[in-house]
Amino acid sequence: EVQVVESGGGLVQPGGSLRLSCAGSGFTFSNYWMSWVRQAPGKGLEWVSNLNQDGTEKNYVDSVKGRFTISRDNAKNSLTLQMNYLRPEDTAVYYCARDDYGYDVWGQGTLVTVSS
Amino acid sequence: DIVMTQSPDSLAVSVGERATINCKSSQSILYSSNNKNCLAWYQQKTGQPPKLLISWASTRKSGVPDRFSGSGSGTGFTLTISSLQPEDVAVYYCQQYCRAPDTFGQGTKLEIK
Repeated sequence: EVQVVESGGGLVQPGGSLRLSCAGSGFTFSNYWMSWVRQAPGKGLEWVSNLNQDGTEKNYVDSVKGRFTISRDNAKNSLTLQMNYLRPEDTAVYYCARDDYGYDVWGQGTLVTVSS
Repeated sequence: DIVMTQSPDSLAVSVGERATINCKSSQSILYSSNNKNCLAWYQQKTGQPPKLLISWASTRKSGVPDRFSGSGSGTGFTLTISSLQPEDVAVYYCQQYCRAPDTFGQGTKLEIK
């Protein structure tokens, strides 16, 4: 079964850090761009970051540039989002998605709550 | 950034009737390599992740019922559900993936009348 599974969410204070992970299975992970998409409570979808197949091309939404870092380990079929200097407005469900001209595989998401 | 604007924000349609959702991009999303529009439609049911229904504006993904169809070109696109079923209640999003950053419409909430 083709799937991705996120982990690492939780409650963190403003200014804190969190590391999200995404494990892919059932497909050749190294063949695909991968993305993080978030959804604040009761709000719409927002693309956060993506990464090409070999990790050499990275993109970020302006609001997270300089704070978030995306990376991957193709040997372990894993994608990571390191989130530093977290703000209350980063509170959201974070989804990992396979990026194949449209996000065709999504995880169930992991909730990140930034609050004191 | 390319801005995606959906209309309406919410829609109530009777079972068996047609539902139409519109999406407008602030600039062309034509992909020169294949002359297709980089436009996807997603369905998100309550408590679930989004599901990709259509890519390249009109290509239905495997397993998606044929009552769902996508059309349009240039900057105007439409998702049509030809005969609404109760299980189609959801929020629908359009998204462009031609030019970074990928951007989504604000969503259209579809309900049963």
